[in-house]
Amino acid sequence: AQSVAQPEDQVNVAEGNPLTVKCTYSVSGNPYLFWYVQYPNRGLQFLLKYITGDNLVKGSYGFEAEFNKSQTSFHLKKPSALVSDSALYFCAVRATVRGAGSYQLTFGKGTKLSVIP
Amino acid sequence: EPEVTQTPSHQVTQMGQEVILRCVPISNHLYFYWYRQILGQKVEFLVSFYNNEISEKSEIFDDQFSVERPDGSNFTLKIRSTKLEDSAMYFCASSPPGQGVYGYTFGSGTRLTVV
Repeated sequence: AQSVAQPEDQVNVAEGNPLTVKCTYSVSGNPYLFWYVQYPNRGLQFLLKYITGDNLVKGSYGFEAEFNKSQTSFHLKKPSALVSDSALYFCAVRATVRGAGSYQLTFGKGTKLSVIP
Repeated sequence: EPEVTQTPSHQVTQMGQEVILRCVPISNHLYFYWYRQILGQKVEFLVSFYNNEISEKSEIFDDQFSVERPDGSNFTLKIRSTKLEDSAMYFCASSPPGQGVYGYTFGSGTRLTVV
């Protein structure tokens, strides 16, 4: 079965510093990988996805993520954190081949990012 | 930017009652989903719907749950007889042709509280 691990429940970073939110995954075959952000009392907002191609994916609000197949990781990064980036971040994986896993998104448990002014 | 709309935003119901959660997916999307998030836990897949039938469902989606697309715009999740453990945030999502390859758009969720 496919799974996602987000090893950190919370990440604290000072405003202006680079941030990293970690994600590793397990899926049979090649993955489709996604990052979503959830602000308080809001839905899940799409940030970026990896489908194929360049391992470095750029997304919304200055976020990027690097797909590393050998380490089965898809860490979310931003060069300079803003206070407004404070939110809950979810990594998700989807199998590319039916039968190797689910076509549906499997989420990690989320990482709370706090950017300190 | 097109949105997935969910109503109501909050619903409180008594145990044993039936509830219907409503969603209006993005108009040109073909795949529709329900996910749920129990407080403090991860987001879990419930069911996917395509071409007027369920295409995939999880173990959570038992006989107490049903989905329907009664007209061209609404997508509903019915819980027949609610239990305390059904209390969660329920998210509707939709995706265009490609079954999620081009991304999923989520609604803001319905917080269901069963008392």
